[in-house]
Amino acid sequence: NAGVTQTPKFQVLKTGQSMTLQCAQDMNHNSMYWYRQDPGMGLRLIYYSASEGTTDKGEVPNGYNVSRLNKREFSLRLESAAPSQTSVYFCASSKLGGIEQYFGPGTRLTVT
Amino acid sequence: DQQVKQNSPSLSVQEGRISILNCDYTNSMFDYFLWYKKYPAEGPTFLISISSIKDKNEDGRFTVFLNKSAKHLSLHIVPSQPGDSAVYFCAARGYDMRFGAGTRLTVKP
Repeated sequence: NAGVTQTPKFQVLKTGQSMTLQCAQDMNHNSMYWYRQDPGMGLRLIYYSASEGTTDKGEVPNGYNVSRLNKREFSLRLESAAPSQTSVYFCASSKLGGIEQYFGPGTRLTVT
Repeated sequence: DQQVKQNSPSLSVQEGRISILNCDYTNSMFDYFLWYKKYPAEGPTFLISISSIKDKNEDGRFTVFLNKSAKHLSLHIVPSQPGDSAVYFCAARGYDMRFGAGTRLTVKP
């Protein structure tokens, strides 16, 4: 039982490059989330998927897109990376309507 | 707008003593409050939660208190252990989950 896995662990991009962050969970959870963590800001929700086939914007969605590929996988795409997107990105999952979210280990992204 | 605030970036306590971490919120529509613990290079892990209709929830060494009139919650850890040294995030569930900025707890042996 790996829980929530994220790839890659680290990434350096140049401004304007694109990339996709991958997330998978093996807990049969319906809901999945993408957060970013910045110093002094806590975690902020980018996008979430309450269930397979649905996605919704969170608090800070601009510059990102998501795909809920299937029940297990939820990817986050940066189409044209900007230095302001330098952050640590966490994926999480939960049961539908569940209180507790289970987090992956994070991806540290630097955009130069 | 930061709806959940943790005003103390850090806290240092002696092993065996009580650690008290504080959190304030502004949105009275939050229905659940949670505490997460985070070690370096790992994702946050759930610690304890409390429903907005309760004022206390206890789980072993961890107790969360909720004061709705003051829009304030606190996490008590008794007794504190060196392994408790981590960053603690307060979170609140409304339309979505909102997190505080975290408090770094250091427990000294």
